[in-house]
Amino acid sequence: QSVLTQPPSVSGAPGQRVTISCTGSSSNIGANFDVHWYQQLPGTAPKLLIYRNSDRPSGVPDRFSGSKSGTSASLAITGLQAEDEADYYCQSFDSSLSGSAIFGGGTKLTVL
Amino acid sequence: QAQLVQSRAEVKKPGASVKVSCEASGYNFIGNYIHWVRQAPGQGLEWMGWINPDTGGTIYAQKFRGRVTMTRDTSINTAYLDLNSLRSDDTAVYYCVKSSSWSGDWFDPWGQGTLVTVSS
Repeated sequence: QSVLTQPPSVSGAPGQRVTISCTGSSSNIGANFDVHWYQQLPGTAPKLLIYRNSDRPSGVPDRFSGSKSGTSASLAITGLQAEDEADYYCQSFDSSLSGSAIFGGGTKLTVL
Repeated sequence: QAQLVQSRAEVKKPGASVKVSCEASGYNFIGNYIHWVRQAPGQGLEWMGWINPDTGGTIYAQKFRGRVTMTRDTSINTAYLDLNSLRSDDTAVYYCVKSSSWSGDWFDPWGQGTLVTVSS
């Protein structure tokens, strides 16, 4: 069971907007640790998608955006495309685990 | 740009040990941390610990303490993950990742992953 909670799956039609939530607690997201997001395409290594809650690495389309509030964070994807079908993971750190890194359980995005 | 290249897949018997290497290029190896993350088949990501390539200092996730050792060779910009007393549930893809710090920062880039299969 992951310290950060994500929905197991979300889906949307091409062109639509979807959001993926990441819920933590006062010892991780609520303790002011940043949240980072990764995209994992089938059969490949995860790739950084959003860092420091809402920043995008160069090369990541602005269709992807992140936000954080309180003990939760969200990833939003607008203008869904077939190539967005992947697993998405949130990541942060936890003060009750001596600053260890923690991940959400992952969310499978299906583009209908 | 920064790149991490890992050793190839391994097949091990239960009780054996495995050593995975991670060669860094394109950035200051000793100025950043290397974390290790694993992913069992069909499962999520699990953090294992980190090494500071400059000092050799390490922190391991509680689950792996006593079975894992992370080391580095700064002369060849390479980090290593040793896992012993392997069990079937250690079957996973093991990733090395670069981070600017031991806690708080993001993981980028990721190595391509090394599949370790534990089977009798």
